[in-house]
Parts: sequence; structure tokens; C-alpha cells
Amino acid sequence: GDSVTQMEGPVTLSEEAFLTINCTYTATGYPSLFWYVQYPGEGLQLLLKATKADDKGSNKGFEATYRKETTSFHLEKGSVQVSDSAVYFCALIGGATNKLIFGTGTLLAVQP
Amino acid sequence: SQTIHQWPATLVQPVGSPLSLECTVEGTSNPNLYWYRQAAGRGLQLLFYSVGIGQISSEVPQNLSASRPQDRQFILSSKKLLLSDSGFYLCAWSAEGARAAFFGQGTRLTVV
Repeated sequence: GDSVTQMEGPVTLSEEAFLTINCTYTATGYPSLFWYVQYPGEGLQLLLKATKADDKGSNKGFEATYRKETTSFHLEKGSVQVSDSAVYFCALIGGATNKLIFGTGTLLAVQP
Repeated sequence: SQTIHQWPATLVQPVGSPLSLECTVEGTSNPNLYWYRQAAGRGLQLLFYSVGIGQISSEVPQNLSASRPQDRQFILSSKKLLLSDSGFYLCAWSAEGARAAFFGQGTRLTVV
């Protein structure tokens, strides 16, 4: 079945460092891909999305490119801030089903 | 614009009591609807999803059930709560064609 694998955390960075959180997926058909962010004590917010191969989703300085050849959707940011500290989830909606499948989440801690 | 409402935000219930959590979506028709549970830690477990009125798919056997009595209403229920039902419950919807998926603010359930 469809699945999402993302890198284990926690990821600890200093402010202004470069961020990469890896995400790979397995799915039949052509899934839509998402990154969500969860701040402490809150629900999930959609951070960015991509619906077809080679699409680049971007928001708030974060970017991710839908790579069909490597089945990946890695999240990147050039310069992280303390306020970016949160849990980040990679997710997909399968091309053959309507199930919204999540990775296990990656905790990001940014230190001043 | 589309909005999703989930209530209550916080709930404390005794073991053996019933449960009813409600989720409604506005501004769209025929959404795909989802219930997730986030237990201690950060993983998201898909409990139920629905592609239409009266159509419910259950992902894991458990003490919970879901119903969709109207197009934009999704209800999570239990006849008798267990301690292990404690957690953060999240409702989500996605548009037809899977181009977006959005979450409610969540219900933090504590079973005592």
C-alpha cells in the first residue's frame, strides 16, 4: 500500500543554518504530496504542496520539489529561525485511493 | 473560502462513558473526510476516512466508530471509552482531485 518515509529526528540546528528533511514515498498512480507543520500544542497546518512531477511547492521560505524519478519530496529552507521549531510531517494522497497518509514526523529544534 | 470546524477543543471523560466528536466542513461539496489520532509523541494514525455520505473505511480495529450522516459532517463515536482512547483527535478534509488537505484544530481527549 501507499506509504511515506521521512527522516528520524530530532533535528537540532543553529539559527540561520540550512535545513533539509528527507521524505520518500511509495504510491500507485500519481499522488499529491504535502508538507505539514505542527507547532507545540496546536493542530496541523498545511505548509506546502505539489500535485504533479517536477512541481515545486514553496511557502515561508520552505521549498520542496516533487521528484518522481527518486520518489522524493525533501523539505528545504536556506536559513532557519527559532520560530521554525516544530514537528514537520510529509504526507501524500494516493493516486489510486483517497487516503491521506503521513510520515512519522520530524521534530526540528532551532537554537538561537 | 473553505473552513473546517471541529469541537470540542478539550474533553475529559470517565472510562466507560460514550463519546461523540463532530467535524463539519463549509464552502465545499463532496469532500473526502478523515479522522486521525495522535497519541503521546507525534505520530498520526489514520482511523477512518470517507469519500461520501454513508461511506466509511476503517483503518484499524478499535473501540471507535465513525459516521457521515451529511455530506459535510463527520462524527467520531464510542459507546464506552477506554483509557487507551486518550489522545489528540484531528479531523481533516481534502478536495476532490486531491489538490489540498486541511485540518481542524483538534480535540484533546483525556479519559480518566
